Amino acid sequence: NAGVTQTPKFQVLKTGQSMTLQCAQDMNHNSMYWYRQDPGMGLRLIYYSASEGTTDKGEVPNGYNVSRLNKREFSLRLESAAPSQTSVYFCASSEAIRGGIYNEQFFGPGTRLTVL
Amino acid sequence: AQSVTQLDSQVPVFEEAPVELRCNYSSSVSVYLFWYVQYPNQGLQLLLKYLSGSTLVESINGFEAEFNKSQTSFHLRKPSVHISDTAEYFCAVRTMNYGGSQGNLIFGKGTKLSVKP
Repeated sequence: NAGVTQTPKFQVLKTGQSMTLQCAQDMNHNSMYWYRQDPGMGLRLIYYSASEGTTDKGEVPNGYNVSRLNKREFSLRLESAAPSQTSVYFCASSEAIRGGIYNEQFFGPGTRLTVL
Repeated sequence: AQSVTQLDSQVPVFEEAPVELRCNYSSSVSVYLFWYVQYPNQGLQLLLKYLSGSTLVESINGFEAEFNKSQTSFHLRKPSVHISDTAEYFCAVRTMNYGGSQGNLIFGKGTKLSVKP
């Protein structure tokens, strides 16, 4: 099992450029998440997908869009990158263990994005 | 609204000394609690979790945390740290309600543990 994989590992963009961050999990989890991590801020939720076919905004969704392509894959798109989006992005997945009670989230290795 | 407070942003300690990383949360409903560890340039890994049952939970590498409902705390402790424990530690909480944000975690801002020889 690879767990949660993310591509690319590193990316440098110019202001205004667009890109898509890819995430895939092989644990058959229903729920997937996108976070950004900034120094001293912890992890902040951008978007999540509770199940295939659904997506919802998290704490900091502005400037991002997501697609839950299938049960395995959940992508994050920056349509017009801004320097404020320079961050480390993490994808995660989780599954309910019983009756809607969720176990821990499993994280990918992250994508380091710099917007110049 | 839920929130998680990690009271120390940085904790320097010497090798073999004990350490406590503090975590307090605010929630009006019952919670699940987690500690994650992040080694440099890596993703987050689960260290330990409290879902139900015994309020004292342990990890395989010697860390333990105790859920204290009256003090709304979930402090992380280790009696003797190693150089290899140098990392950033995040406390996270999820409530037991079943609203639209099922499975979502609220993270603290992290505590950087630096173990010196």
